[in-house]
Formats: sequence, structure tokens, C-alpha cells
Amino acid sequence: EAGVAQSPRYKIIEKRQSVAFWCNPISGHATLYWYQQILGQGPKLLIQFQNNGVVDDSQLPKDRFSAERLKGVDSTLKIQPAKLEDSAVYLCASSLAGQGTQYFGPGTRLTVL
Amino acid sequence: EDQVTQSPEALRLQEGESSSLNCSYTVSGLRGLFWYRQDPGKGPEFLFTLYSAGEEKEKERLKATLTKKESFLHITAPKPEDSATYLCAVQAHTGTASKLTFGTGTRLQVTL
Repeated sequence: EAGVAQSPRYKIIEKRQSVAFWCNPISGHATLYWYQQILGQGPKLLIQFQNNGVVDDSQLPKDRFSAERLKGVDSTLKIQPAKLEDSAVYLCASSLAGQGTQYFGPGTRLTVL
Repeated sequence: EDQVTQSPEALRLQEGESSSLNCSYTVSGLRGLFWYRQDPGKGPEFLFTLYSAGEEKEKERLKATLTKKESFLHITAPKPEDSATYLCAVQAHTGTASKLTFGTGTRLQVTL
């Protein structure tokens, strides 16, 4: 069974530029999550989707971050404009149902200069 | 607010030297406690889920246990390939929202 796919794996941008990350969850998984992991810390949830609807975006900085999951499968996370403190690994995870085990992708490492 | 504290921050063991990692938590109604392993440059890899106090789960050299306030990850006779960061996370009963609240992890290094 294929795991969670993410791209790109690495991205370097200047502050105030925009960037987008893509995630393809495990086939059949209805729930998709985006987490931010700053170096030396545990992952922190940014947003949870159930199919194509948002369940929890309480920790998403909505002035600069946006995410969508239009057809209930793939998802895109965007940052516009980026700040230095956005440098982190952005992890996508998916689960069969909201309460199920979350399986993580390899992450996208973002460096903002 | 849900909180997870892991200790120690880092642990260095010799091959074969058993030890335990600690995860203390506070949560408003525990739905599940999760252990993940994370290798450098990779995403967290699922190990165990524990749901109620007294529950134990094993996988190869790893055994996870749960009480009402903490969880332990016991590593028996570790090998160098067990070197990784071990993350603990809790999931609370909050309707359809099912976020994981993670600790900062324990970095384990196993040497020959």
C-alpha cells in the first residue's frame, strides 16, 4: 500500500515570497491533516479536513496560511507571504476516520531566508 | 489545554542496555495515546496506540504501557538501528476534531 506522498521535499524562499505544498493521502483515507514541525519540537496541527470540509483550523495563521482539499483527495497548503519564523517541516498525515491512526508523509522542509 | 511532556530529552545507551522513556500528559478526556518513531529527515512512523490505563502493547524490542497520568516506552536490549527520536502524542475526545498533541520527543542513540 502506498504511503502519504508530499512534494516538494525541500524548498528555499526569500521572506515575503509565497510557497505551496502538495499532499496525496493514502487511498481511501477520508481525513487529512497538515502539521508544522519546528526544529527540536513535536508536530503542531495546522488544519484537519474530513473529506473536503474543514474540521479544525483553530491553529492555522489565517492571515498568511491557506489550505484546500477540493475533491476530497489531494490537498494544497499555501503560505503567502512567508516570514522567517515559517521555516519548519510541513507534514501531511491521513487516517481512515477521524479517530483512526494517523500516518505521516515524509514532509517538506521549508527554509525562509 | 492538552499537554505532553517527554523525558529525558536525550538518551545514550550501549547496545543491549535496556531503559525506559517517559511521557507525562494532561488531557481533557483521553481518546488515545500514540507513540511514533521519527528518523532524521523523515516523517513520524506509527508504533503504538494505547486507549486505557493498564493497557500494554509490544513490538519487537519495544513495549508501551499506560497509566492515568503517564506512558512508558520500554526498550529491551536495544540495537543501533533503534536510534531515533521517539514522539508521544495524545488525542482528546473533542467530537470530530482529532488532532494529536505531541511532546518534544526523546532522542535515543544506541552505540555498539
